[in-house]
Amino acid sequence: GQQVMQIPQYQHVQEGEDFTTYCNSSTTLSNIQWYKQRPGGHPVFLIQLVKSGEVKKQKRLTFQFGEAKKNSSLHITATQTTDVGTYFCAGPRTQGGSEKLVFGKGTKLTVNP
Amino acid sequence: NAGVTQTPKFQVLKTGQSMTLQCAQDMNHEYMSWYRQDPGMGLRLIHYSVGAGITDQGEVPNGYNVSRSTTEDFPLRLLSAAPSQTSVYFCASSYLQGNYGYTFGSGTRLTVV
Repeated sequence: GQQVMQIPQYQHVQEGEDFTTYCNSSTTLSNIQWYKQRPGGHPVFLIQLVKSGEVKKQKRLTFQFGEAKKNSSLHITATQTTDVGTYFCAGPRTQGGSEKLVFGKGTKLTVNP
Repeated sequence: NAGVTQTPKFQVLKTGQSMTLQCAQDMNHEYMSWYRQDPGMGLRLIHYSVGAGITDQGEVPNGYNVSRSTTEDFPLRLLSAAPSQTSVYFCASSYLQGNYGYTFGSGTRLTVV
């Protein structure tokens, strides 16, 4: 079945450095979603990308959806300690006539102040 | 505040005990789902519902039952708890499965001894 792979699994950066996490799907996705989970918290929806080649920005965060709609990336410019957490990508998978959201295993970001 | 409410936040069970994790949302979302999160495993779908009276299995349904008698509520039942069910459980809801961002509850941390 469809899998969503995320790399790297862990990333440690110095405050002010940039950070990127990548998401790859074995099949074409109708959309890709990104979530952030702070330590001890719950996943929070960040954004959804739908169009091939789409790029969206939220302040220091840049999200891209690949031309083939099988990969995506999240880039954070000049990380801050508030960026600490695990970032998940997720894509819909159709099974039995209904769609379910399949999550990658996430990239855990730690930031050294 | 609008959102997804999960109770309890923490629970310790003995092997063989049963319990129900509660989930309620007040956003009139049709789609609700239960995930479990284990270290290094990401979020895995247990069961989901596309509307009142309709439920289906996800990736890891064994040992869990669900029902959906109202749009608002989607309880998860553990009939005979096992140590392998020690995990953090998240309930999530959305307007449509797979195509809109999910709203997650704050989670239930369950330990089975």
